[in-house]
Parts: sequence; structure tokens; C-alpha cells
Amino acid sequence: GAVVSQHPSWVICKSGTSVKIECRSLDFQATTMFWYRQFPKQSLMLMATSNEGSKATYEQGVEKDKFLINHASLTLSTLTVTSAHPEDSSFYICSAHGLATNTGELFFGEGSRLTVL
Amino acid sequence: AQSVSQHNHHVILSEAASLELGCNYSYGGTVNLFWYVQYPGQHLQLLLKYFSGDPLVKGIKGFEAEFIKSKFSFNLRKPSVQWSDTAEYFCAVTTDSWGKLQFGAGTQVVVTP
Repeated sequence: GAVVSQHPSWVICKSGTSVKIECRSLDFQATTMFWYRQFPKQSLMLMATSNEGSKATYEQGVEKDKFLINHASLTLSTLTVTSAHPEDSSFYICSAHGLATNTGELFFGEGSRLTVL
Repeated sequence: AQSVSQHNHHVILSEAASLELGCNYSYGGTVNLFWYVQYPGQHLQLLLKYFSGDPLVKGIKGFEAEFIKSKFSFNLRKPSVQWSDTAEYFCAVTTDSWGKLQFGAGTQVVVTP
């Protein structure tokens, strides 16, 4: 099946620094990628929809200047957490919707655990 | 606003027991329904999905789910669980052809030998 890879799988950073997380579709082209955030023992919350070559669409309550999303190619989307603070510590997951996949079928990355000290 | 509700946060059961996880959604229009599973240390995987047609959907690993439109439900079942079914299970709904999913809170299932 289709593979989506995230990097890094975990990262620890100091408060105030920025962290970039990559999401790659390895064997298909992803016109649309989604970024989710998962708090401990809670569900995945959609943060934004990333479309190749255009600006991301953010969900209500998600700061677009805080969580910068870039989808520069059909196989790569990046999420940059700018000026990270401890409350940004979370598990970030991306998913990709490919050109050839069935409607609504998404492939998920392994997730990236961010810890901000 | 659209929401997805999973009834149980934690379920513990023995091998060979039957499993049923409840999922209800609150949206009156056409929906696409999914169950995803997340094994420890792994990424989310699709168990099964419902778009249209037969409301009883069979998925991988012996799982099935039944869509009952009148009850806004999409419950997941497995007749006989195995230790390897220990995982977190998420119900998800989309009304969007692009696959923007709304997830339930998840149910942690622990199967004891």
C-alpha cells in the first residue's frame, strides 16, 4: 500500500526555537495532505489542510503564523512550529490524499512527537 | 457542528472474547465512515470504510462494521479477538470528498492472553 513517512519521529527543543516536521508520500503523489495534532489520551484534531502549490487552509483556532505549512511539491509537505513553547508539545501526524487513491482514503505518517522544554 | 462520539475509552477483554466498539456521529447529510487502528508504536491504519451500498462492511483482520443510518451509528465488531488486536481504535467521519476527517476520541483495547 501507499506509504507516508514523517521526519523526525521525535524531537526535543528549547522553548522559543522553531521546529520543522516533514511529511513525504513515498510511492504516490499527494495533492492534498492533512496535519493533525494528538494530545495524550485524546483524539486527533485536524489542524490544517495543505494543498500542493497553494496556501494551507487552517481549522478554526489554529494559529497560521504559529504553525507554518508548506506544500511545495506533490510528495512533500512541511509543518514548522515557530517559537515553540511547552504547550506546543504534542504528537503531530500527517496524512496524504493521493491522486490515485479512492475518495476519502488517506494514508497516515508514523507521527512526530514534539517535546518543548 | 459535526462530531464523532466513541462510547468507551478503555476496553479490556480476554482472547477469544467478542468485541464491539460503539461509534455515533452527529451529521444529517451524506457521510463516509471509517475505522482506523493504531497499534503500539505504529501509525494509523485503515481497518474498513463505508461509502455506500451494503451497510455491513467487512475489513481487514476479521473486523466488520455496520452502518445504521437511523441511529447515526457505525459500530465495529470482531467475533473473537486475539492478543495482537491490542491497539487504539478510532472512528472517523468525513462529509468531504477530499477526506478531511473528524475523529472520535479513540478506544484503547487491551486483549489479555
